[in-house]
This record gives sequence, structure tokens and C-alpha cells, in this order.
Amino acid sequence: EPEVTQTPSHQVTQMGQEVILRCVPISNHLYFYWYRQILGQKVEFLVSFYNNEISEKSEIFDDQFSVERPDGSNFTLKIRSTKLEDSAMYFCASWGKETQYFGPGTRLLVL
Amino acid sequence: AQSVTQPDIHITVSEGASLELRCNYSYGATPYLFWYVQSPGQGLQLLLKYFSGDTLVQGIKGFEAEFKRSQSSFNLRKPSVHWSDAAEYFCAVGGGGTASKLTFGTGTRLQVTL
Repeated sequence: EPEVTQTPSHQVTQMGQEVILRCVPISNHLYFYWYRQILGQKVEFLVSFYNNEISEKSEIFDDQFSVERPDGSNFTLKIRSTKLEDSAMYFCASWGKETQYFGPGTRLLVL
Repeated sequence: AQSVTQPDIHITVSEGASLELRCNYSYGATPYLFWYVQSPGQGLQLLLKYFSGDTLVQGIKGFEAEFKRSQSSFNLRKPSVHWSDAAEYFCAVGGGGTASKLTFGTGTRLQVTL
């Protein structure tokens, strides 16, 4: 069964550094999403993406964040200058068959 | 704005006992409702979903949920819990289109005693 994949599974970075989280959505899906889950808290929506543009974003998704679909398969989340509070699990998802399918997540730790 | 409340933070049940996890939602129109399960360190796996039609939906691993519009609820049930069901369970609501964002509840951590 097709799956959403994410790389890396873990990333440690220094505060102020840029990070890029990568996702490969399921191949025939057209809607893509990023969510995050701070340790011990609920999953929060960040941004949705359709037809090569952002369709919706939350108040968390400020100017430090950006998303891109650089080619036909990858979907990336960039954090330009990481903060301590960006430490979280980041989930990518794609939409198909009336369901959002989630990837395994990237655990980001900002020191 | 849509929201989800899961009133039980932590539930402990004995293996073989029945289970009900509560979920209440707030959404102005017909909601799309989901239950996901998350094992420690893992991603989110869809258990079941409700879009329309029969209000009792069946999912994977023997789970079912019932949509009750009058109570704004979508409770998850299982008649006999297995030790492997220990995990965190998240209820989520979507709306404004089938591909819209999901809003999650805070989750219920299920512990199963042998």
C-alpha cells in the first residue's frame, strides 16, 4: 500500500539555523499538509498546499516557515531561523480517498 | 471555528474489557470526523472516518464509532480490548470540503492491564 514518507526521521539543529524537512506524498494525491506536535500536546495544523500554492495556513505558520513542491514528488517545509519552541514532531500528510494519510514524522530538536 | 474535545486524558482498562473513548466536536455544518491512533514514537494511523450515511462506522482492528449529531459526539468503541491497543487516540474534525485541514483533540492515552 502506498505510504507518505518523510526524511529525516530525526534532526538536531542549533537555534537560528535553517532546516528543511522533506516529504514524499502518495503519488496521485493533490492536496498536501504539514502538521506539528509538540511533545505531549495535540497535533496542530500548519499549512495546506494545492496546485502549487498555499490554500490555508494557521497563525503558527509565520514568515519563518515556507513550503515548496520543488519537483513532482517532494514536498518540503523550511524553517528559516529555528527557535527553541520549534522543537516538535512534524507530520506531512496527503489527501486521497476521503482521508488524510500521515507520514511517520520528523522529530526536530532545536538546541 | 471547528474544535474537538476529548474529555479523558488517560484511561486504563483490563484486557478483554470493553472500551469507549469520548469525543465531542464543534462545527457549524456537517462535519467530517476521524479517529487516529498513535503508538509511541510513531505516526498517525487512521482507524475510521465518518462523512455521511450510516452513523455507525466500522474501522480497522475491531473499532467502531457512532456519530450522534444531537450530542455533537463521535465516540470510539471496542467490545474487547487487546494489550496491543495501548496507544494514544486522537479524534479529529474536518469541514469546509473533504480535503480541508483537520483539527485534532488533545488525545486520550489508553493503558491496557493484563
